[in-house]
Amino acid sequence: AQSVAQPEDQVNVAEGNPLTVKCTYSVSGNPYLFWYVQYPNRGLQFLLKYITGDNLVKGSYGFEAEFNKSQTSFHLKKPSALVSDSALYFCAVRGPNTGFQKLVFGTGTRLLVSP
Amino acid sequence: EAGVVQSPRYKIIEKKQPVAFWCNPISGHNTLYWYLQNLGQGPELLIRYENEEAVDDSQLPKDRFSAERLKGVDSTLKIQPAELGDSAVYLCASSEGPSRNTGELFFGEGSRLTVL
Repeated sequence: AQSVAQPEDQVNVAEGNPLTVKCTYSVSGNPYLFWYVQYPNRGLQFLLKYITGDNLVKGSYGFEAEFNKSQTSFHLKKPSALVSDSALYFCAVRGPNTGFQKLVFGTGTRLLVSP
Repeated sequence: EAGVVQSPRYKIIEKKQPVAFWCNPISGHNTLYWYLQNLGQGPELLIRYENEEAVDDSQLPKDRFSAERLKGVDSTLKIQPAELGDSAVYLCASSEGPSRNTGELFFGEGSRLTVL
């Protein structure tokens, strides 16, 4: 089975400070990893993905994530947080055991950026 | 380019009543998904279509839920009869065909169901 874990229900950070939202995954083989963001009463929006290649991937709105195979992690980061980054963030994985067809989401982490 | 369109955005019904949700995916996207999102949780897949074929409906409660995508474009998800526990947000998403499964999903804004 494939799964992702987001160990923090909420992350609080002050505007201008760096932020990290944690994600660890469990799949057999090499994963495809994704981050999505959800603003209140909206659908999910794609931020970035890791398929292969460089472990550090850059995405929308200044976000980036680092794939760490040894730690089975794909943490989302941003050097300087904005109040407008406050939202719900979901990590998701596709694994080879489903032919990479099935996308499984974590439970989400709420990011709160204070002015 | 228009995104994934869902309707209605909000629906309130009494338990045991039927309800239907509609989704129009992004033009040219062959794969369509219906996800269920409970409050404070991540989306969970209900059904996935490749064109008009349901290729993964293992998580769809078939005793009361049904879905169709007759012409391989828009889709309808139905619940009959609805139960209190069905209160949730129903998300539709689409992506390019299975040969491009590295791609991201594009989500609609969801249909929020409240069952009283």
